[in-house]
Amino acid sequence: DIQMTQSPPVLSASVGDRVTLSCKASQNIKKNLDWYQQKHGEAPKLLIYYTNNLQTGISSRFSGSGSGTDYTLTISSLQPEDVVTYYCYQYNSGPGTFGGGTRLELK
Amino acid sequence: QVQLKESGPGLVQSSQTLSLTCTVSGFSVTSYHVSWVRQPPGKGLEWMGVIWSGGTTLYNSLLKSRLSITRDTSKSQVFLKMNSLQTEDTATYYCARGFYEFKYWGQGVMVTVSS
Repeated sequence: DIQMTQSPPVLSASVGDRVTLSCKASQNIKKNLDWYQQKHGEAPKLLIYYTNNLQTGISSRFSGSGSGTDYTLTISSLQPEDVVTYYCYQYNSGPGTFGGGTRLELK
Repeated sequence: QVQLKESGPGLVQSSQTLSLTCTVSGFSVTSYHVSWVRQPPGKGLEWMGVIWSGGTTLYNSLLKSRLSITRDTSKSQVFLKMNSLQTEDTATYYCARGFYEFKYWGQGVMVTVSS
């Protein structure tokens, strides 16, 4: 199965910061990658699909990019409600796999 | 509207078999795939498997030997069965519509495996 590595596991930032989360695949996943946000005690929420497509109703401060094995989720101006955990998910081939997650915290 | 709801026992003894049901509404399981995803307490998400709209399945390689996903199309239900449970299988189990672009999720069901 394809392995997904998210970095960093924990990211400290301030409100208003531009934040970049990374996700690296063990092989080329051809942009077949989603990003999810998860608040404590809730099911994950789809933010970005197919690398760079913003899900309906999601704030435009979220954006995604990448290709090959390297992908990023960017929050242009961090808001307090964004300080939760984010997961990437690949579905290019074989079983799907989630990254280990990046938890944001306020500096 | 689209809804998914997981149900099953909250407590299972180790070495036993877990049986969960995902009841869906607002769509047909013959038109959409349904995946199972789990999350141990305080840990990350793990994709477990999918039943395709056509009825075949694909499983996480690490769980494949213990896992079975089936469905009852007449009841709009998808079932997860996993045998030989260990304490490490303690988790919240979610069903979600699709194999990617998971827009719709169930609320999750917490399962504790007791030794």
